[in-house]
Amino acid sequence: EAQVTQNPRYLITVTGKKLTVTCSQNMNHEYMSWYRQDPGLGLRQIYYSMNVEVTDKGDVPEGYKVSRKEKRNFPLILESPSPNQTSLYFCASSFGQPTYYNSPLHFGNGTRLTVT
Amino acid sequence: DAKTTQPPSMDCAEGRAANLPCNHSTISGNEYVYWYRQIHSQGPQYIIHGLKNNETNEMASLIITEDRKSSTLILPHATLRDTAVYYCIVRTGANSKLTFGKGITLSVRP
Repeated sequence: EAQVTQNPRYLITVTGKKLTVTCSQNMNHEYMSWYRQDPGLGLRQIYYSMNVEVTDKGDVPEGYKVSRKEKRNFPLILESPSPNQTSLYFCASSFGQPTYYNSPLHFGNGTRLTVT
Repeated sequence: DAKTTQPPSMDCAEGRAANLPCNHSTISGNEYVYWYRQIHSQGPQYIIHGLKNNETNEMASLIITEDRKSSTLILPHATLRDTAVYYCIVRTGANSKLTFGKGITLSVRP
């Protein structure tokens, strides 16, 4: 089954403790992206990647890192989490550059992160 | 940067057509308009997309104005399960930066 898999689904951590949220897709997609969603603010893009070793900042990259060493994986890294990073996070992937191609985004089920 | 404007909310009666508008006046000529929806806190789900012509699939229809500055998503027979937030998406800025914004909350009433 074609899918985007995020782990974990729920995560509670403390300020300053490094964490990684994993994202993997099995569709050989070139494009991958991370979003965070907060009440009243909609979905905001954190980082995106057009291909292996190619990443770029979205609208809210501060406090986050990403890497794209393999095509299928795009982990989101919080080196020193803070309470303002408490949010619902979504990973997404698509075949090619979104909106230029016949290339809809496929989303994971989300990771709800709480930083205390 | 291209972006979209949607009203914050609307409602419709079950069984009636729901027409969801979106303005994207700065869209480039070779960019598609995509629509997604999000039910509760699930991952957004793709609905439909189009470039210039009107499109229809099993979920919805998409009407794009001739000047491409706006579009309307039509759910022909809304059901209670169509209650969700609907996002109209175009590319924002350079490369592949995408902004979803707040979307439009559709409430389908019995």
